[in-house]
Amino acid sequence: AQSVSQHNHHVILSEAASLELGCNYSYGGTVNLFWYVQYPGQHLQLLLKYFSGDPLVKGIKGFEAEFIKSKFSFNLRKPSVQWSDTAEYFCAVTPYSSASKIIFGSGTRLSIRP
Amino acid sequence: NAGVTQTPKFRVLKTGQSMTLLCAQDMNHEYMYWYRQDPGMGLRLIHYSVGEGTTAKGEVPDGYNVSRLKKQNFLLGLESAAPSQTSVYFCASGGQTYEQYFGPGTRLTVT
Repeated sequence: AQSVSQHNHHVILSEAASLELGCNYSYGGTVNLFWYVQYPGQHLQLLLKYFSGDPLVKGIKGFEAEFIKSKFSFNLRKPSVQWSDTAEYFCAVTPYSSASKIIFGSGTRLSIRP
Repeated sequence: NAGVTQTPKFRVLKTGQSMTLLCAQDMNHEYMYWYRQDPGMGLRLIHYSVGEGTTAKGEVPDGYNVSRLKKQNFLLGLESAAPSQTSVYFCASGGQTYEQYFGPGTRLTVT
């Protein structure tokens, strides 16, 4: 069965530190990959997405993610975090050409110390 | 554009009561989804719809029913609420690009 794992449940960093959040998925076929962000008290917003092409994807607010097919991974990165990046981050996967079936990871809570 | 809206924002129910959550989108999206979000469990898909008049079960459909009579609306019903249905409910819509646009959520407490 399709699944998404986010192994870091809670990450605490200081401002200006570098960030990498892990995301691994299990699915045998071609997939579309997403990272969503949920700021405190708000709804989820799309951070970035990967469908095909360059495996290094750039999103909003300086975030990027790299798709490594051989590792079934889609890790999220940011070189220097800010206090405003405090949020919960969700990785999501859907089979290619299937918008009707998406699986979310359990989320990683990111806390940034000012 | 309002995007995706949900009503109500908050609701408290007693066990056994029923209610309907309304989701509306103005982006002409074909796909609509209902999720529940519980601490440590991420988002779990309850039901979804791939077009007007269609519905399908997601990961956790038991205890919920849905209807999509109009393309822009997706209703989630709880016929007999249980404390296990205390959660935050998010509606989302999306098109052929697969990304989803989420509503602000409904916080439901069942006592």
